Amino acid sequence: DAGITQSPRYKITETGRQVTLMCHQTWSHSYMFWYRQDLGHGLRLIYYSAAADITDKGEVPDGYVVSRSKTENFPLTLESATRSQTSVYFCASSVYPEDTQYFGPGTRLTVL
Amino acid sequence: AQTVTQSQPEMSVQEAETVTLSCTYDTSESDYYLFWYKQPPSRQMILVIRQEAYKQQNATENRFSVNFQKAAKSFSLKISDSQLGDAAMYFCAYRTRGGFYYTGANSKLTFGKGITLSVRP
Repeated sequence: DAGITQSPRYKITETGRQVTLMCHQTWSHSYMFWYRQDLGHGLRLIYYSAAADITDKGEVPDGYVVSRSKTENFPLTLESATRSQTSVYFCASSVYPEDTQYFGPGTRLTVL
Repeated sequence: AQTVTQSQPEMSVQEAETVTLSCTYDTSESDYYLFWYKQPPSRQMILVIRQEAYKQQNATENRFSVNFQKAAKSFSLKISDSQLGDAAMYFCAYRTRGGFYYTGANSKLTFGKGITLSVRP
């Protein structure tokens, strides 16, 4: 049972490049979330999705784009990476919005 | 907007002893959930315990228990018989319980900044 996976686990990129972080879950959970973790901030919500083709912004959406063409995948794209987007990114999912959210292992992204 | 405050950045405990991690929150809502998540060096976020605000009884999970004081908006985590594997960063988190129309926006978790717990052998 793979659960929720993220790829890559580590990524180094340069300012201005496009980067896509992948999230895949095998539970058929309807709800999926992207958070970023920064020192001194805890985790903050970037985007979420209630179902395939339904997405909406969280607290810190600027500079990010998401899509969800299939229930099991929820990629996060940085269209033009900036140094301020250096962070650890977590994907999470839940069956219903009020259910417990289960987290992936995270992706550590460094933007040089 | 809801806020979650973990004022202690670091704590240390002797193996086999008990430690309490503090968390306070601010909300105008009457119904909500509170969580403690553990993040070991592997970075995986692991749910430790969950408390429903409408329940007066404090949640417990084996060696982990909470002291939920709704009026004081306080939600502390007690770890009994501490083990080396308990060393990790611990996050307190809040989520609204929502109502008839519950969306992803109000299902988001609001996290505190975390506390790093070290366990001395």
